[in-house]
Amino acid sequence: GAVVSQHPSRVICKSGTSVKIECRSLDFQATTMFWYRQFPKQSLMLMATSNEGSKATYEQGVEKDKFLINHASLTLSTLTVTSAHPEDSSFYICSASIGGSEKLFFGSGTQLSVL
Amino acid sequence: AQTVTQSQPEMSVQEAETVTLSCTYDTSESDYYLFWYKQPPSRQMILVIRQEAYKQQNATENRFSVNFQKAAKSFSLKISDSQLGDAAMYFCARGGADGLTFGKGTHLIIQP
Repeated sequence: GAVVSQHPSRVICKSGTSVKIECRSLDFQATTMFWYRQFPKQSLMLMATSNEGSKATYEQGVEKDKFLINHASLTLSTLTVTSAHPEDSSFYICSASIGGSEKLFFGSGTQLSVL
Repeated sequence: AQTVTQSQPEMSVQEAETVTLSCTYDTSESDYYLFWYKQPPSRQMILVIRQEAYKQQNATENRFSVNFQKAAKSFSLKISDSQLGDAAMYFCARGGADGLTFGKGTHLIIQP
């Protein structure tokens, strides 16, 4: 099956710093990638949708200037949390689809802890 | 808003028994997909089963099957012969190429 690699799996940073999370499709071209956030014991909430070569589409309530998404190639999307604060601490998961299909493949997630 | 509702925060079942997890959803679309995902403590999202809304036949995957009632917008998951490895959070989701909307999840406990 298709593999999506997400790194890092865990990151701890100081308040005010920026953190970049990478999501790579290893054996397929991902025209669309999705970024989700999951707070402890809660569901996954869609943050944004990125299509290769175009600007990401953010869900209502998600600050585009804080969560920068870049999808420069068909195999890589990055999420940068800028000027991170403790309230940004969460589990972030990416997923990718092949050719815009309904079949989604998930990364293993990144636990972000902001001190 | 198009929502997905899982009314059972937690369910418990004896090993080898059968359990059903419920899910209802709201959508204005006629063509869509429904999913059940399993999230074990590792937090890796694992696809359990997938249903295409235009198909009337209920999807099955080994011990997992669904009861899809399109008019009622209901999509329950039945796990037969429950095993200890089935213990996890289960999320119902609706969507497709525009991403997924998840329910709040059901924590499934398997009693040995």
